[in-house]
Amino acid sequence: GQNIDQPTEMTATEGAIVQINCTYQTSGFNGLFWYQQHAGEAPTFLSYNVLDGLEEKGRFSSFLSRSKGYSYLLLKELQMKDSASYLCAVLDSNYQLIWGAGTKLIIKP
Amino acid sequence: GAVVSQHPSWVICKSGTSVKIECRSLDFQATTMFWYRQFPKQSLMLMATSNEGSKATYEQGVEKDKFLINHASLTLSTLTVTSAHPEDSSFYICSARDRRDYEQYFGPGTRLTVT
Repeated sequence: GQNIDQPTEMTATEGAIVQINCTYQTSGFNGLFWYQQHAGEAPTFLSYNVLDGLEEKGRFSSFLSRSKGYSYLLLKELQMKDSASYLCAVLDSNYQLIWGAGTKLIIKP
Repeated sequence: GAVVSQHPSWVICKSGTSVKIECRSLDFQATTMFWYRQFPKQSLMLMATSNEGSKATYEQGVEKDKFLINHASLTLSTLTVTSAHPEDSSFYICSARDRRDYEQYFGPGTRLTVT
């Protein structure tokens, strides 16, 4: 079966750095997405990785290792507004998005 | 960036009535649209995938006669919740896949409350 694992909840301090991990086992791989979702709102796109390595975009970076079935989202200089759920999703061989359950990130002052 | 709109953004209806939710891709053509449901503090649950001009593919456990999906054009898909019950109260989100790539663009969601 297809499976995506990420921690349920994480807590970090304002100004710090946090890494949210995602491991996956899917039938085929055509890329991995990270989305941010604030409570009561729809998800918003953060990043897309299809090749191994690190993609940096401002305070957010995303890393992919296809051989290990592993990705992480790195958030630097955390701000209170970064409190949200972060969803990992993999595009499988049929180009369907397989969703992780999401990681709720709590930022403390 | 690509924009997807949803209408209405929230709706309250009485038990037994039907509610239609529209999802539109505003500045791109979407050959495929997805309908999700999300209950409080839970992750997105894919309900169905609709391709323009063909019948929707429903996920296991989703009643196709209750959740009617129509994808009549490359920019519009509709979800009709028929004979709604309080347990159908949820946050319904659509997304559209741009035919030029495989990224999904999400609509803002529709909060449905059935009384």
